[in-house]
Amino acid sequence: QKEVEQDPGPLSVPEGAIVSLNCTYSNSAFQYFMWYRQYSRKGPELLMYTYSSGNKEDGRFTAQVDKSSKYISLFIRDSQPSDSATYLCAMERVRGSQGNLIFGKGTKLSVKP
Amino acid sequence: NAGVMQNPRHLVRRRGQEARLRCSPMKGHSHVYWYRQLPEEGLKFMVYLQKENIIDESGMPKERFSAEFPKEGPSILRIQQVVRGDSAAYFCASSPRDGNSPLHFGNGTRLTVT
Repeated sequence: QKEVEQDPGPLSVPEGAIVSLNCTYSNSAFQYFMWYRQYSRKGPELLMYTYSSGNKEDGRFTAQVDKSSKYISLFIRDSQPSDSATYLCAMERVRGSQGNLIFGKGTKLSVKP
Repeated sequence: NAGVMQNPRHLVRRRGQEARLRCSPMKGHSHVYWYRQLPEEGLKFMVYLQKENIIDESGMPKERFSAEFPKEGPSILRIQQVVRGDSAAYFCASSPRDGNSPLHFGNGTRLTVT
């Protein structure tokens, strides 16, 4: 079983839709959870990072962590064509070090106008 | 405020040649991380460096790959005697300190081995 599983998509939605992106993980020692957005030919850009179970909201983005189920989600409200990108979940591998991360393979999202 | 700068953006090497990838972290950042992204694969951690020190190289292949972050100048990821399987996007990230600082990534160097 891989440490982090993420559906690669692609996921296509109409503009204005609510998008749900998800990852599951197997290592209960993971403490920090992150979502990155990666546009084509660009580096990953940090969107959200959370430490504890529960929800964290930032504008149109909500990150949700359920440690009991080893499941994390990213919700995008009122999706825009500019949200079209690959979304990567990432988790801390070494406790206390946010640099040694394990990433999901990414979900490619396309928002159609 | 310049972000993480990587160069070159694209690098083509023949099998057996050496590839040198450079990374200048964000101003004020003293921690550098290198990741590799193979086609259809996720980002994989390679190495974590501070100035003049390798802190964690658990993701580095045992042979042909090396990294450094000298006191002055950029961090360098060096791949000797490249093979086709080394073709990938190599990303550098930096942070001001470890532990609670999210990573800021550069736009990567795309290495193609012919």
